Amino acid sequence: AQSVTQLDSHVSVSEGTPVLLRCNYSSSYSPSLFWYVQHPNKGLQLLLKYTSAATLVKGINGFEAEFKKSETSFHLTKPSAHMSDAAEYFCVVSVMNRDDKIIFGKGTRLHILP
Amino acid sequence: DTEVTQTPKHLVMGMTNKKSLKCEQHMGHRAMYWYKQKAKKPPELMFVYSYEKLSINESVPSRFSPECPNSSLLNLHLHALQPEDSALYLCASSQVSRQVNTEAFFGQGTRLTVV
Repeated sequence: AQSVTQLDSHVSVSEGTPVLLRCNYSSSYSPSLFWYVQHPNKGLQLLLKYTSAATLVKGINGFEAEFKKSETSFHLTKPSAHMSDAAEYFCVVSVMNRDDKIIFGKGTRLHILP
Repeated sequence: DTEVTQTPKHLVMGMTNKKSLKCEQHMGHRAMYWYKQKAKKPPELMFVYSYEKLSINESVPSRFSPECPNSSLLNLHLHALQPEDSALYLCASSQVSRQVNTEAFFGQGTRLTVV
């Protein structure tokens, strides 16, 4: 079975400071991992994905994430937060070749302080 | 074209009404999904279609009836809904591959209000 845990329900950072959103996963198989962002009353937009190629993945809007198998983690980072980054972020695990499911974490609300 | 298009964007319906949500994609994806999202919660999987056949039904009440008439379209038929069914309904699609895990592309959702 697959699962994903986002360790923080809310994260607040000041504009211009680094962002760290934490995600741990559990999977019996080689997982694919994704980060999605959702702005208020909007659908979900893919930020980046890991599919067993490079462990450091670069995404859109300056975000990146590192897959660490030994720690079963896939934390999302950004060097410098922008006001427009305020949104809900979801870590997602997928093992499509096993059970066709996409499993969401509970989400982390990112607040950007001026 | 990397879009998943959902219509309508907003829907208000009474508890005795029958309505349908529509979802369309032209990326050649053969897996399509319906999710329900309540406020401040992650999306919850409702149904998965793979090659136009229902592969997963997450014990969804029968007042929700999915339909996949072809590889580009996914419908969700609604009948006799309850106020607690009010939510954002998201459609998604992805490739089906037994070798590579691919991302899902999401639509903007239909904001449903049941009165």
